[in-house]
Amino acid sequence: NAGVTQTPKFRVLKTGQSMTLLCAQDMNHEYMYWYRQDPGMGLRLIHYSVGEGTTAKGEVPDGYNVSRLKKQNFLLGLESAAPSQTSVYFCASRWLAGEYNEQFFGPGTRLTVL
Amino acid sequence: DQQVKQNSPSLSVQEGRISILNCDYTNSMFDYFLWYKKYPAEGPTFLISISSIKDKNEDGRFTVFLNKSAKHLSLHIVPSQPGDSAVYFCAASAGRRGGATNKLIFGTGTLLAVQP
Repeated sequence: NAGVTQTPKFRVLKTGQSMTLLCAQDMNHEYMYWYRQDPGMGLRLIHYSVGEGTTAKGEVPDGYNVSRLKKQNFLLGLESAAPSQTSVYFCASRWLAGEYNEQFFGPGTRLTVL
Repeated sequence: DQQVKQNSPSLSVQEGRISILNCDYTNSMFDYFLWYKKYPAEGPTFLISISSIKDKNEDGRFTVFLNKSAKHLSLHIVPSQPGDSAVYFCAASAGRRGGATNKLIFGTGTLLAVQP
């Protein structure tokens, strides 16, 4: 049981390049989330999904797109990377009836945009 | 407008003493509160939580207190151990339990350093 995994762990992009971050969970969780963590800002929700084939915007969705084609995977895409997207990205998942809304997090992806 | 605030960016305590981490919130609709612990280069891990119908929840060395009238919660760690050194995030959510739209709102975190 690997929990929540994220690929890649590190990435450096040039401005304007595109990339996709992959999140996978093996806990059969319905809900999945993408966050970014920046110094002094805590974790901010980018997009989330309530189930396969569904996505919704979070607090800071601009510049990102997501897809949830399979229940276990949640992809985060950057179509044209900008230096402001330099951050650490965390994926999380949660069971439908999870007590206290607790979410389980992946190890993170550190992205640098030059 | 930050709905969940952790006003202390860092805290240093001696091993064996009590660590008290504080969190304030502004949204009176919040009814579930969670604490997460984060080590460097790892994702946050769930630590302890409390519902608004309670004022205290205890799990081993960790106790969370909720003061709804003051919109304040605190995490107590007794006794503190060097392995507790990490960033602690407070988080809150509102609405019916189990809904994905009950998004977690995180504070900015407090870095706890426990000195041997």
